[in-house]
Amino acid sequence: QMHLQESGPRLVKPSETLALTCTVSGASISSDDWTWVRQPPGKGLEYIATAFMTGAIDYNPSLKSRVTVSLDESKSHFSLQLTSVTAADTAVYYCVRYRQRGFDYWGQGTLVTVSS
Amino acid sequence: QSALTQPASMSGSPGQSITISCTGTYSDVGAHNYVSWYQQHPGKVPKLIIFDVNNRPSGVSNRFSGSKSGNTASLTISGLQAEDEADYYCASYIIRPPSWVFGGGTKLTVL
Repeated sequence: QMHLQESGPRLVKPSETLALTCTVSGASISSDDWTWVRQPPGKGLEYIATAFMTGAIDYNPSLKSRVTVSLDESKSHFSLQLTSVTAADTAVYYCVRYRQRGFDYWGQGTLVTVSS
Repeated sequence: QSALTQPASMSGSPGQSITISCTGTYSDVGAHNYVSWYQQHPGKVPKLIIFDVNNRPSGVSNRFSGSKSGNTASLTISGLQAEDEADYYCASYIIRPPSWVFGGGTKLTVL
């Protein structure tokens, strides 16, 4: 049974960098493509980026300049960095498997609050 | 990259059928068949219920079906049940630049 666990600081100060790690267990991270999706409290879903096993990365154009995603196969980690955060970046961040043109397996998500 | 347009809320009675629309443009929904739908119960994680416009993942009830016409995709739920009360989101691939976009979400109430 695959399990995705997001981890990282729950509170980030404005203008600083949000950094999250998704640990993948029960599956090979190198065999699939992986996506970050976020959801501000009480609001809808927002696509952030997908890292493909080919090495390619797709981004939300509105976030691309601030986003870095990477895969670490040795640790089964999928990571997200979002720079220069503001209160608008407060959200639940989900690590998601992308397969067959659908986001088919979601982590439980982690709430990150941007506040001083 | 604008969110796809969905009705903010819909309601239906048990046993009825309901159709949720998802309107995009020629650059996303209208450009291909890479549209998916997600169900999210309060406080829960989203669940994939439709991919590639009208395909159901294994284990998803056949009461859920999808379709597309032009720039608008639709999710139909037949035989509404109380457990169908949830938020529903559509998503579409965007070809250039390659990306995905979600709809704003539809809150479905089963009366």
